[in-house]
Amino acid sequence: NAGVTQTPKFQVLKTGQSMTLQCAQDMNHNSMYWYRQDPGMGLRLIYYSASEGTTDKGEVPNGYNVSRLNKREFSLRLESAAPSQTSVYFCASSLLVGQGDYGYTFGSGTRLTVV
Amino acid sequence: QKEVEQDPGPLSVPEGAIVSLNCTYSNSAFQYFMWYRQYSRKGPELLMYTYSSGNKEDGRFTAQVDKSSKYISLFIRDSQPSDSATYLCAMSVTAAGNKLTFGGGTRVLVKP
Repeated sequence: NAGVTQTPKFQVLKTGQSMTLQCAQDMNHNSMYWYRQDPGMGLRLIYYSASEGTTDKGEVPNGYNVSRLNKREFSLRLESAAPSQTSVYFCASSLLVGQGDYGYTFGSGTRLTVV
Repeated sequence: QKEVEQDPGPLSVPEGAIVSLNCTYSNSAFQYFMWYRQYSRKGPELLMYTYSSGNKEDGRFTAQVDKSSKYISLFIRDSQPSDSATYLCAMSVTAAGNKLTFGGGTRVLVKP
């Protein structure tokens, strides 16, 4: 099993450009998440989708949009990139509690630089 | 003040020593507690999961939760150079949406 796959792995954007980060999981998980990780700030939740067809804002949603395309795929879009969005982005997925393993499975990350 | 506090380290120990990591938190409603390990340039991976208070042991790893003190710990016995990584604690209130709040992570270096 591939687990959680993120594309691309690296990206450099100019200020004002847009892009979509892709995430797909093959574990039949219900919930999916997007986090950003910055030095000294830890992992901060951007958006999450508790189940197919639903999305909700996390701690730092400004400047981002998401789409839960189907049960497998959850994309993150930057409409107009800003230098403050330079970060490492992680997608994760999980089962709902009560269905077994509670933990998240993370992808390997997308390293984004906005210049 | 952050909801979950974790010393960033680095914590440097000789091979074979016990590594002791901890997190403090402010939200008394947290019920689910986890520890993740993150190698450089990789995503975090789940090490330990505990519900409510108590201890849990898995091989060389022991997780402890003290809800009365709002304090959780992870102990790594007989540490190996391969344990060198950043360790993140994480916790959540309920199952709904499974939203986790993470600590900032502690970097651990195990020297041969």
